[in-house]
Amino acid sequence: GNSVTQMEGPVTLSEEAFLTINCTYTATGYPSLFWYVQYPGEGLQLLLKATKADDKGSNKGFEATYRKETTSFHLEKGSVQVSDSAVYFCALSDYGGSNYKLTFGKGTLLTVNP
Amino acid sequence: DTAVSQTPKYLVTQMGNDKSIKCEQNLGHDTMYWYKQDSKKFLKIMFSYNNKELIINETVPNRFSPKSPDKAHLNLHINSLELGDSAVYFCASSQSEGAGEQFFGPGTRLTVL
Repeated sequence: GNSVTQMEGPVTLSEEAFLTINCTYTATGYPSLFWYVQYPGEGLQLLLKATKADDKGSNKGFEATYRKETTSFHLEKGSVQVSDSAVYFCALSDYGGSNYKLTFGKGTLLTVNP
Repeated sequence: DTAVSQTPKYLVTQMGNDKSIKCEQNLGHDTMYWYKQDSKKFLKIMFSYNNKELIINETVPNRFSPKSPDKAHLNLHINSLELGDSAVYFCASSQSEGAGEQFFGPGTRLTVL
């Protein structure tokens, strides 16, 4: 079956530091890949996505590249801000034989200190 | 305008009670979902409906029963609540079954005492 593995948190950084959150996946088909972000007390919202190999998704200074050869979709940001403090979820969408399903990683809590 | 709304936001109840959570989306989407998020933030899909028809029913106790009266609503009824049901429940919607982008509601924090 499909699965997503992302680095365990929590991750604590100082403002303007470089961020990487690793994500690897296992899928039987050709999945689309996503990063969702959950700010404190809120629901998840889509941060960025990539639908095929070598695509780069980007939004709000975050970016991730769909690497089929390493089955990875690592999230990066060059300079984090306090407002980026949230839980980040890597996810894939694939057809599982009878339906499409979004499979999430376990989430990585990021705290950015001023 | 709130795209996906849920009521109530907080729900505190005793073991053994029956409760419902309501969800509405005004995005015109065809597909709606219920997820359960545990205390460690792990997110697990419970149900999915496409045009009012059940398409995903994960291994969830049959005390949980979703109901979709129309395409814009997906409610979750829980019978005989147990301590382990305490979690945050999220409703979500997507344009179609295969669309990866899902829009989430703000969540309902259920506490069973």
